[in-house]
Amino acid sequence: GIQVEQSPPDLILQEGANSTLRCNFSDSVNNLQWFHQNPWGQLINLFYIPSGTKQNGRLSATTVATERYSLLYISSSQTTDSGVYFCAVEPSGGSYIPTFGRGTSLIVHP
Amino acid sequence: EAQVTQNPRYLITVTGKKLTVTCSQNMNHEYMSWYRQDPGLGLRQIYYSMNVEVTDKGDVPEGYKVSRKEKRNFPLILESPSPNQTSLYFCASSRGRGGSYNSPLHFGNGTRLTVT
Repeated sequence: GIQVEQSPPDLILQEGANSTLRCNFSDSVNNLQWFHQNPWGQLINLFYIPSGTKQNGRLSATTVATERYSLLYISSSQTTDSGVYFCAVEPSGGSYIPTFGRGTSLIVHP
Repeated sequence: EAQVTQNPRYLITVTGKKLTVTCSQNMNHEYMSWYRQDPGLGLRQIYYSMNVEVTDKGDVPEGYKVSRKEKRNFPLILESPSPNQTSLYFCASSRGRGGSYNSPLHFGNGTRLTVT
């Protein structure tokens, strides 16, 4: 099946810093989503982004489907950005099983 | 408010005692699914459903059952729970298949299950 790799696995930032999280996938996909799991365990959808670039406040995401990767940018990080960030892809070819990466754990210190 | 509601949030049970985790969505979504989350393994899909009476296995279906008798509900059933099913479980829904049609996955708040 499709492989999804996220990097880095762990990230520690000082409040106000910027960061880039990466998601690589091994095959063509129908869609890609980014999620944030907060310290209370809730999973929040950040972006649905099969291709192109989207922005939402301090967060933005870019997917280059032809090169099989996506990037999540966090600017001016805040302590509330702490948590785990997952990307999930749905492979092309009729599979209805979204495959999740193992996530990037982010800690933002005040 | 659009939401996916799971119950209970926490559940401690003993090996072999049948249990059901409920999931309900109020968004008229066709697609619903169950995931389990384990440290170091991320989220893995257990079962999914494309519509009423249509269900299929995900990556890790062994030991689980589901049913989709109504569009809004998708319960997860553990007929004979075992300790290796101790995990954090999430229900999710979306308008189209698997999050396509610009329809992101919406997750419930999770159910933390412990089987002793």
